[in-house]
Amino acid sequence: QQQVKQSPQSLIVQKGGISIINCAYENTAFDYFPWYQQFPGKGPALLIAIRPDVSEKKEGRFTISFNKSAKQFSLHIMDSQPGDSATYFCAASFSNQFYFGTGTSLTVIP
Amino acid sequence: NAGVMQNPRHLVRRRGQEARLRCSPMKGHSHVYWYRQLPEEGLKFMVYLQKENIIDESGMPKERFSAEFPKEGPSILRIQQVVRGDSAAYFCASSPGQGGVDEQYFGPGTRLTVT
Repeated sequence: QQQVKQSPQSLIVQKGGISIINCAYENTAFDYFPWYQQFPGKGPALLIAIRPDVSEKKEGRFTISFNKSAKQFSLHIMDSQPGDSATYFCAASFSNQFYFGTGTSLTVIP
Repeated sequence: NAGVMQNPRHLVRRRGQEARLRCSPMKGHSHVYWYRQLPEEGLKFMVYLQKENIIDESGMPKERFSAEFPKEGPSILRIQQVVRGDSAAYFCASSPGQGGVDEQYFGPGTRLTVT
């Protein structure tokens, strides 16, 4: 049973556009929602994270939007760049246990 | 401030041999997680450990796989009698595990190839 559902599986965006990746969860006990970025041959790197007491968190070009009532959260990458091309994973956590989405492969074309 | 360290980075084993993967968590972190990733796939949780304790091993195959995190030294993921299907990237992650901080940081992974 997939605790965290992520979509789309792959995404192609023009340089300068907005990339949007969505995740949904069921377990209301989750209290920490991180996003990870992974380049080929590398380990996932923590990108940005949010807790359910806020609806949005922004760090540079990356924004997490969080909808507690809908049990959904999304990653927005503004002004997407070719260097953002990577696989992105959402995750949800409670009590130090983590559940990952299946990943989104993002390609930003020049 | 060194991050999560894993070694070896690449490991080649013949079918039937044993594979030992090591993970040193970030300084100050007492929780370790192991994940497996197949090409073009997501991260599959295997096991969650604290020092000298296995907290959750629900993702670990019942046979041939074991993990430990001793009081001293790195965490070890051990795969006995490897088969071709064990070929994958194995990632270790660590988190502080204290004060309600959940942030989890990954190592660079060990790429296991079974020939």
